[in-house]
Order: sequence, then C-alpha cells, then structure tokens
Amino acid sequence: DIQMTQSPSVLSASVGDRVTLNCKASQNINKYLNWYQQKLGEAPKLLIYNTNNLQTGIPSRFSGSGSGTDFTLTISSLQPEDFATYFCFQHNSWRTFGGGTKLELK
Amino acid sequence: EVQLVETGGGLVQPGKSLKLTCATSGFTFSNAWMHWVRQSPEKQLEWVAQIKAKSNNYATYYAESVKGRFTISRDDSKSSVYLQMNSLKEEDTAIYYCIKMDSDYWGQGVMVTVSS
Repeated sequence: DIQMTQSPSVLSASVGDRVTLNCKASQNINKYLNWYQQKLGEAPKLLIYNTNNLQTGIPSRFSGSGSGTDFTLTISSLQPEDFATYFCFQHNSWRTFGGGTKLELK
Repeated sequence: EVQLVETGGGLVQPGKSLKLTCATSGFTFSNAWMHWVRQSPEKQLEWVAQIKAKSNNYATYYAESVKGRFTISRDDSKSSVYLQMNSLKEEDTAIYYCIKMDSDYWGQGVMVTVSS
C-alpha cells in the first residue's frame, strides 16, 4: 500500500501569509495527487486534482505542484475562510489519504 | 440539484452487520463510478470501496482493511449505491461518506458506531 505523509501536522499562520503544505508518497504516484479542504462539520471539498489542476470555483490563490513522490499545496495569501484542515489523496495505485494538516490562526 | 443521501448508520455490536444506502439524484447515476470513504473519530480519512458502471462490468475495489468483510453494490434503477458491512470491528467506527469522486459530489455522511 502507498503511504501518504503530510507535513506539518499543524501550521499556524496569519491572514495574508503565503503558506506551503507538504505531502510525500511512499512511492511514485506520478501526477495522481489531489488536495481536499475540510472545515469543521462539513464533508471534504476538492481544491486541486492531478497535482496542479484547480477545481472549478476554487480561488486562484490555491495552487499545487510536484511530481513523483513530493507534492505541495500553496495558498498565496491566506484569507479568513482558509483556516481548515487539508488532506492530500493519491489515486495512482488504489487510493490513500494523507493524515492532514490543520491550518490554524496564529 | 445534486443530492447524495446516506442512511442506515447506527450503533452496532462487534461482529454484527449493517447495510448503508446512498440514494442519489441530479446526475446520471448509471454512468457514475461511486465510492465510499470513511472518517474516523480521530478525523483520519480512509477510502473504503469503489464500484464502476455497467459498461465496466460493475467492477469493485476495496481497501485492504475491509476486504472480505464489506461489499459495495449498486442499483441503477434506484440510483443508489450500497455498502454491506459484515463482521464489524470497533475500528470501523466512523462517518461514512458516499461520493462521486470525479465530480466531487459528497453526501452528508452517516455515523456508524461499533461498540459493545
């Protein structure tokens, strides 16, 4: 099974900050990496699919990059509504979620 | 409007069975590949199972943690997907979501608690 490791597990930041969240796969997953945002009490929401494709309706301050085993989600300028938990998800071989990064207000 | 509504959750003893139903509307269900994903009380997400469409011979796939115990199925005439869960364990306790993953359609989730 492919393991997905996210870092950091908790990230403290301020409105307006540029932040980067990391996701590492235990083996090559090519480009098949998605990013989800989850707010308290809600289902996860797809932000980025296949490494760097912005889902319809998602603000352009969100971007994704990477390949193979190392991937990042960048939020260029944090907005108040961005404080949430973020999960990466691989769908190259079976499907696996990362453990999540909680983005909290500093 | 797209809707996915999960039902059938509840409290069940270890070793018992439970069947979840996901009733959908607002999209062409017969062509859809459907998934179940669960989220533990510790907030960890885990993909559980997938079923493809009739054109793909209704192929099914399972996470290792549930293989042999859970069965995913569908009824295209009812636009519904099911998850039959047998030999339940305490670690199966979670919110179970029904998903059309390629469109990012999620249900509201249904709670399953396995406890004696």
